[in-house]
Amino acid sequence: AQSVTQLDSQVPVFEEAPVELRCNYSSSVSVYLFWYVQYPNQGLQLLLKYLSGSTLVESINGFEAEFNKSQTSFHLRKPSVHISDTAEYFCAVAYKGGNKLTFGTGTQLKVEL
Amino acid sequence: GAGVSQSPSNKVTEKGKDVELRCDPISGHTALYWYRQSLGQGLEFLIYFQGNSAPDKSGLPSDRFSAERTGGSVSTLTIQRTQQEDSAVYLCASSTEWTGGGPTRETQYFGPGTRLLVL
Repeated sequence: AQSVTQLDSQVPVFEEAPVELRCNYSSSVSVYLFWYVQYPNQGLQLLLKYLSGSTLVESINGFEAEFNKSQTSFHLRKPSVHISDTAEYFCAVAYKGGNKLTFGTGTQLKVEL
Repeated sequence: GAGVSQSPSNKVTEKGKDVELRCDPISGHTALYWYRQSLGQGLEFLIYFQGNSAPDKSGLPSDRFSAERTGGSVSTLTIQRTQQEDSAVYLCASSTEWTGGGPTRETQYFGPGTRLLVL
């Protein structure tokens, strides 16, 4: 069965500092990988996804994630965070051809002044 | 356009009672998913509907849980004889029909959820 590990439940960081949110998955087959974000009092929304091709994917608000097959990782990075990035971030994996997403337990990113 | 809507937004019920949770997907989306988010847990897949195909019920935790989707649109998740461990946020998501590579290739759009508390 698939599983997703987000080791950090909370990540505090100062504004304009870089951040990395870690995500590892367990799967021996081809997968799709996703990062979803949940801002305070809002629903989940897709931040970025890896389907195929270039292993580096980017979002419109400056986040990027790199698919590393050998490490089975899909870490999320941003070189300079903003207060508005404060949210909970969920990593998810799906088998290619499968019916469901398997989510990690989430990482709460708290950006401080 | 309108996003995924869910009702009620909050539900408090007593142990042993039945509850119904409703999901209105984005118009034209043929795929519909239910997930559960318990405190301190990630999102847990419950059930998947795709058009007129038989649903994938592999994530339903017990036979007290059931779901239906009428007319390929609105979906209702029913929990019978609720237990305290059913307390969670129940999320619905919808996506467009997949054209290759499997349904999870398509972006899932989530509703705001129904927060269920079983006393």
